[in-house]
Amino acid sequence: GENVEQHPSTLSVQEGDSAVIKCTYSDSASNYFPWYKQELGKRPQLIIDIRSNVGEKKDQRIAVTLNKTAKHFSLHITETQPEDSAVYFCAASLGGRRALTFGSGTRLQVQP
Amino acid sequence: EAGVAQSPRYKIIEKRQSVAFWCNPISGHATLYWYQQILGQGPKLLIQFQNNGVVDDSQLPKDRFSAERLKGVDSTLKIQPAKLEDSAVYLCASSPPPRLSNTGELFFGEGSRLTVL
Repeated sequence: GENVEQHPSTLSVQEGDSAVIKCTYSDSASNYFPWYKQELGKRPQLIIDIRSNVGEKKDQRIAVTLNKTAKHFSLHITETQPEDSAVYFCAASLGGRRALTFGSGTRLQVQP
Repeated sequence: EAGVAQSPRYKIIEKRQSVAFWCNPISGHATLYWYQQILGQGPKLLIQFQNNGVVDDSQLPKDRFSAERLKGVDSTLKIQPAKLEDSAVYLCASSPPPRLSNTGELFFGEGSRLTVL
């Protein structure tokens, strides 16, 4: 089955700096790569996703890049704010209604 | 639109006891998932339903875990007997049918936190 690895496990940045989280996946057939944000004690919520026919996608301060050849994808957050502090999970799936395989998570701390 | 509903939110039991969690997905969502999230880890799929049929239960510890979705709407996840390592948050999620969304976005409930003593 699919295996998703995520790095780093913790990331601390100063407010206004950029943050980058990286994930690799094992199944070359995977074609859907979402990122979820989970605040303490809350449910995971989708913040951005990308499909395998796209190399990059942006939504305001958040962007995701995908390298299908290398089987890795990354989340970029620019101009970080304290409210960006949370745990971020990457995931991968074969698309459609297939279940997501999640990475182990990155705890992002934005220092004011 | 109402979100995914789960209950109970918290449960504390002793090892070898049993526990059941309930989930009601978003109306119209045919696909329902149960994930286990151990503290400090990512969610791990336990079982996926499409309507009332099982799509994937390959990671469900079937000697102690069971799940059902008899009428294709709400679902119950049961653990019997519980072990210490079952302490986790059990997340239910659902996804809309392809005619409503072409992504694989999952909508999660708030989760049921289980502590096994």
